[in-house]
Amino acid sequence: EVQLLESGGGLVQPGGSLRLSCAASGFTVSNYAMNWVRQAPGKGLEWVSGMSGSGGRTYDADSVKGRFIISRDNSKNTLYLQMNSLRAEDTAVYYCAKDRSATGSSGMDVWGQGTTVTVSS
Amino acid sequence: DIQMTQSPSSLSASVGDRVTITCRASQGISSWLAWYQQKPEKAPKSLIYAASSLQSGVPSRFSGSGSGTDFTLTISSLQPEDFATYYCQQYKSYPLTFGGGTKVEIK
Repeated sequence: EVQLLESGGGLVQPGGSLRLSCAASGFTVSNYAMNWVRQAPGKGLEWVSGMSGSGGRTYDADSVKGRFIISRDNSKNTLYLQMNSLRAEDTAVYYCAKDRSATGSSGMDVWGQGTTVTVSS
Repeated sequence: DIQMTQSPSSLSASVGDRVTITCRASQGISSWLAWYQQKPEKAPKSLIYAASSLQSGVPSRFSGSGSGTDFTLTISSLQPEDFATYYCQQYKSYPLTFGGGTKVEIK
């Protein structure tokens, strides 16, 4: 069964850092494009970062560019999101999601259950 | 960036009703469009991709149509488990963008 399991969320002070993990099972992360999508409390979905399959090209939303870094460890079949210089507006549930293709051109078909990040002093 | 606009933002309907949700892209995206369903406190679930292709396991009462800038998600006969929030999303180009969502509530 294809599954994604996020971890690493928690409470962090403004300006702090956090690393989210997304462990994949039932498929190989390097064969597909992968994404991080967040949802602030009571709000809609916002795409954050993406990484293509084999080439590993990365993409970021303007709201996180220069602060968040998406990466993956093929040996662990795990996707990561390194979040630096965190702000209150980064408070959200963070989901990782698998694309149907390696290029990110087919929509997200599998989602994790989410991990909650709270940025507050 | 491509902006996605959904309408309505919410609607009330009864079990058995036909429900239509509209999504408009700020520029042409061919058929690079997906629809997702999200229930409270749950992760989004894929319903439709490529504008009209049904995700495996999704009931056939869900259908999608459109191309270019105007798209529609239709639920042919609303069921109790369909009360949720629905989002469209374009994947023609990065940054990927979602519509604001349509909350389907019980009348």
